[in-house]
Amino acid sequence: GAVVSQHPSWVICKSGTSVKIECRSLDFQATTMFWYRQFPKQSLMLMATSNEGSKATYEQGVEKDKFLINHASLTLSTLTVTSAHPEDSSFYICSAPRAGLYNEQFFGPGTRLTVL
Amino acid sequence: QQQVKQSPQSLIVQKGGISIINCAYENTAFDYFPWYQQFPGKGPALLIAIRPDVSEKKEGRFTISFNKSAKQFSLHIMDSQPGDSATYFCAASTDKLIFGTGTRLQVFP
Repeated sequence: GAVVSQHPSWVICKSGTSVKIECRSLDFQATTMFWYRQFPKQSLMLMATSNEGSKATYEQGVEKDKFLINHASLTLSTLTVTSAHPEDSSFYICSAPRAGLYNEQFFGPGTRLTVL
Repeated sequence: QQQVKQSPQSLIVQKGGISIINCAYENTAFDYFPWYQQFPGKGPALLIAIRPDVSEKKEGRFTISFNKSAKQFSLHIMDSQPGDSATYFCAASTDKLIFGTGTRLQVFP
């Protein structure tokens, strides 16, 4: 299958600081990437769709000014959690669809964010 | 209408047994139904997927059964192994994936 990487795999930060998470498609290009959030023992919730060359599309209830998304190239999308607070602590996962018959989505390994 | 309902929430199966997880959807616009396997602390991995124009797809020990009229689909894991112990998510998609609530599978030797 296709490979999607995320960096960092885990991060601990102080309340009020900003954290950037990178998502890369390593062996294919992705004009679109998706960012999800997952709380312990819960399902994945789509936060936003990252679009190369244009603004991200956010799901209802997701603060666009808090979760800044930049799709810098066909292989890189970044999510910046601004002014992080303890309630932002979660597992953040990105995915990228590989163009093909089924546009299968491949997921990154996730980033565990802990805000103290 | 965008929800995907998944059951059971948890499942315990003996090694060699069959694990069955069920999902149901409402939105008839969904045209892609994947299953993902997730181990603790890892991202989901695509296991198998199906389009609504077929009723069954098999890959190794994993089979998807799809009932378009009932708007239901299920994952069957044959000869379940302890290494299959993980959380399984069904999903449905048009352009975005909508995930089910997940099933935690435990396979005991």
